[in-house]
Amino acid sequence: DAGVIQSPRHEVTEMGQEVTLRCKPISGHNSLFWYRQTMMRGLELLIYFNNNVPIDDSGMPEDRFSAKMPNASFSTLKIQPSEPRDSAVYFCASSAPFGGGPESRNEQFFGPGTRLTVL
Amino acid sequence: AQTVTQSQPEMSVQEAETVTLSCTYDTSESDYYLFWYKQPPSRQMILVIRQEAYKQQNATENRFSVNFQKAAKSFSLKISDSQLGDAAMYFCAYRSADGGATNKLIFGTGTLLAVQP
Repeated sequence: DAGVIQSPRHEVTEMGQEVTLRCKPISGHNSLFWYRQTMMRGLELLIYFNNNVPIDDSGMPEDRFSAKMPNASFSTLKIQPSEPRDSAVYFCASSAPFGGGPESRNEQFFGPGTRLTVL
Repeated sequence: AQTVTQSQPEMSVQEAETVTLSCTYDTSESDYYLFWYKQPPSRQMILVIRQEAYKQQNATENRFSVNFQKAAKSFSLKISDSQLGDAAMYFCAYRSADGGATNKLIFGTGTLLAVQP
């Protein structure tokens, strides 16, 4: 398995521009998570999908951020307009569904992250 | 709300020696999972070890083991026979086991481990 795939790996943009980050979860996984990592705030959950439905978006910082999961194999995180304080590493993670026992939902597999720099 | 605290921003260990990273957490739940993740300079988040709160036996994975003290809400990671490749940021994380919407990981602030040759 290729693991969780994220693109792009690096993104440099100017303030005010739209940024779209992409994620392909592991095949068969039905939960998908977007995390953001910064020096100031550490690792924090932005939004979590289960079976393509957003379950918890309480971590989405403001209306400039939006996330979608149109199907089980693809999700996007969009920032519009971007600001310098959005500069961070954004991780996507996925986990397996129930059915394989309670331990099957223990582990979240992380993608390599997207390093976003907003100038 | 649950919180995870890592009180050691940085630690250092000599190669082949043993080091223990500390983690405490706060929760009112009785069933949950705890994890240690490793983040090397490549930024990849790698699961090191997991512990189910309902299990009394401490988890072990080769050179990595935990000391899980449920009453004290403590979950430390011991790395034995440290290797240069163990140098990384280590994150302690908590996840509820209620099977509902609270499936997110709550992370500590991390401990940066340096391994001296």
